[in-house]
Amino acid sequence: GAVVSQHPSWVICKSGTSVKIECRSLDFQATTMFWYRQFPKQSLMLMATSNEGSKATYEQGVEKDKFLINHASLTLSTLTVTSAHPEDSSFYICSARDREGVETGELFFGEGSRLTVL
Amino acid sequence: QQQVKQSPQSLIVQKGGISIINCAYENTAFDYFPWYQQFPGKGPALLIAIRPDVSEKKEGRFTISFNKSAKQFSLHIMDSQPGDSATYFCAASPPGNTPLVFGKGTRLSVIA
Repeated sequence: GAVVSQHPSWVICKSGTSVKIECRSLDFQATTMFWYRQFPKQSLMLMATSNEGSKATYEQGVEKDKFLINHASLTLSTLTVTSAHPEDSSFYICSARDREGVETGELFFGEGSRLTVL
Repeated sequence: QQQVKQSPQSLIVQKGGISIINCAYENTAFDYFPWYQQFPGKGPALLIAIRPDVSEKKEGRFTISFNKSAKQFSLHIMDSQPGDSATYFCAASPPGNTPLVFGKGTRLSVIA
């Protein structure tokens, strides 16, 4: 299957700083990537849909000025948590489909990035 | 309409037993139903998936049963092993390049 790589896998930062998480499709071009957030022992919550070359579409209740998403190329999308606070601590996971997946629906996930804000 | 309801929330199964997890949906536009397995600290990994034109799909020890009229689908894990202990999520999506809607997850523990 297609490989989606996320970096960093974990990050600790001080309150008020910004953190950038990268999501790369390693062996395919992803015109669309999806960003999810997961709290401990809970399900995945869709944050936004990231489209290459255009602005991300955010889900209701997700602050677009807090969670900046950039999808500058067909293989890279980034999520920047700006002015992070402890309540932003969470597990962030990106996902993407390859060309076949757009037809079949199959979605591949990255390994996730654990953010801890002190 | 966009919800996928998953049960049970947690499940304990003896080694060698059958693990059964159920999901139900409302949106009849959904046409893709995958199951994901997630270990702690890792991203979800696709386990098996089914489309509404098939009532059952089997891959190794994992089987999806699909009931279109009841709008329900389930995951059966045969001969459950301790290594199967993980959180399992059902999901669904309509046609097109749309995001998956996830169930709340089931924490499976397989004990020896």
